[in-house]
Amino acid sequence: QSALTQPASVSGSPGQSITISCSGGGGVVGSYFLVSWFQQHPAKPPKLIIFGDTERPSGVSPRFSGSKSGDTAYLTISGLQAADEADYFCCTSGTNIVFGGGTSLTVL
Amino acid sequence: QVQLQESGPGLVKPPRGLSLTCTVYGDSVTSGNKFWSWIRQTPGKSLEWIGNVQNGGSPYYKPSLEGRVSMSLDTAKNQISVTLTSLTAADTAVYYCARYVPTFCSAHVCSGFYLDTWGQGHLVTVSS
Repeated sequence: QSALTQPASVSGSPGQSITISCSGGGGVVGSYFLVSWFQQHPAKPPKLIIFGDTERPSGVSPRFSGSKSGDTAYLTISGLQAADEADYFCCTSGTNIVFGGGTSLTVL
Repeated sequence: QVQLQESGPGLVKPPRGLSLTCTVYGDSVTSGNKFWSWIRQTPGKSLEWIGNVQNGGSPYYKPSLEGRVSMSLDTAKNQISVTLTSLTAADTAVYYCARYVPTFCSAHVCSGFYLDTWGQGHLVTVSS
């Protein structure tokens, strides 16, 4: 499976909304392969925030939402907070698990 | 609450091999419909999947690591292990174990797997 492409960095001000894209060639992001998203703070393990393209695990804020259109998945964070400043990774799974390169979110 | 904890050496000389263990708390490595995964994160922050193993099934690995990696379950100790041989500096990373569970199952067929629980990670440095 091909790698997933994410922007290296995004930024936003508190209260704003931002969207991170995750695109994949070769059909790795499509109707068959579901996408999950992880949040990672420094020196911490990745934390699951979205699975199955759009589902939120119990305990994850509804400010985090996932969507997908064609070969691109999106993570939207609304009402940005300082605590959202972290790295975000997308992931898809077929025969193998593939990760995006990660996006560093800065809250201005 | 499910928790995973990695353990093993922190410094390995090339071209020796590495064995890491992940102990699972709050779940059983023999329970059905799930896999157990190893993932590593390089100093540059890239995440790389290493492989998956499931009780009663054959493990499968990232193709580029085939021949150097093996994974197994110790059901008595409720542990997952990974062995990586012929190490180089490029294998320096934080190694994570994780649980890989399905989004849905129907008639004993499951799909839409995702990594729902991760260990804290274990730093391995390969250096002479």
